[in-house]
Amino acid sequence: NAGVTQTPKFQVLKTGQSMTLQCAQDMNHEYMSWYRQDPGMGLRLIHYSVGAGITDQGEVPNGYNVSRSTTEDFPLRLLSAAPSQTSVYFCASSYSRVQGNQPQHFGDGTRLSIL
Amino acid sequence: DAKTTQPNSMESNEEEPVHLPCNHSTISGTDYIHWYRQLPSQGPEYVIHGLTSNVNNRMASLAIAEDRKSSTLILHRATLRDAAVYYCILQGAGGTSYGKLTFGQGTILTVHP
Repeated sequence: NAGVTQTPKFQVLKTGQSMTLQCAQDMNHEYMSWYRQDPGMGLRLIHYSVGAGITDQGEVPNGYNVSRSTTEDFPLRLLSAAPSQTSVYFCASSYSRVQGNQPQHFGDGTRLSIL
Repeated sequence: DAKTTQPNSMESNEEEPVHLPCNHSTISGTDYIHWYRQLPSQGPEYVIHGLTSNVNNRMASLAIAEDRKSSTLILHRATLRDAAVYYCILQGAGGTSYGKLTFGQGTILTVHP
């Protein structure tokens, strides 16, 4: 049981480039989300999904797109990378949106630098 | 979103108990109290959660005040591996608030050998 898997672990981009951060979970979780963590700060919610085909914006969605075509995968796309998007990105999942007491499982993160 | 207040840092010696406090005076009746921790260069890790009653699991204990306006995470015997940032987070029970974890600064726990 791999849990939440994020790829790549590290990435360096130039300003204006695009890329997709991958997130996959093998726990059949309905709920998935993306957070970013800037140095010395807590995590901030970017986008989330309550099930396949359903996504919504979090606290800091600008500059990012998401889609949820399957239960397992929830990729995060940067359309035109900016230095302000340099951060560590975490993907998380949990079992169900119905029961609010479900703990969330986090991946190990993708460390992204935009030059 | 209801907010939490935690001390910026705490220190402990190995093998001693640690009590990490959290204030959440604006908690609503349906908010669960969750604790996560983040070890260096890793993603947050779920520790424990509760609603009204005290909770125990293999990692820690959670003591919740009767008025639910504060809680305490208890590590019974700290180890060097417990050195991490600990986050106290309120999670809504459902609807649009579900799953939206609002992370504060957390408490940096240092464990001395």
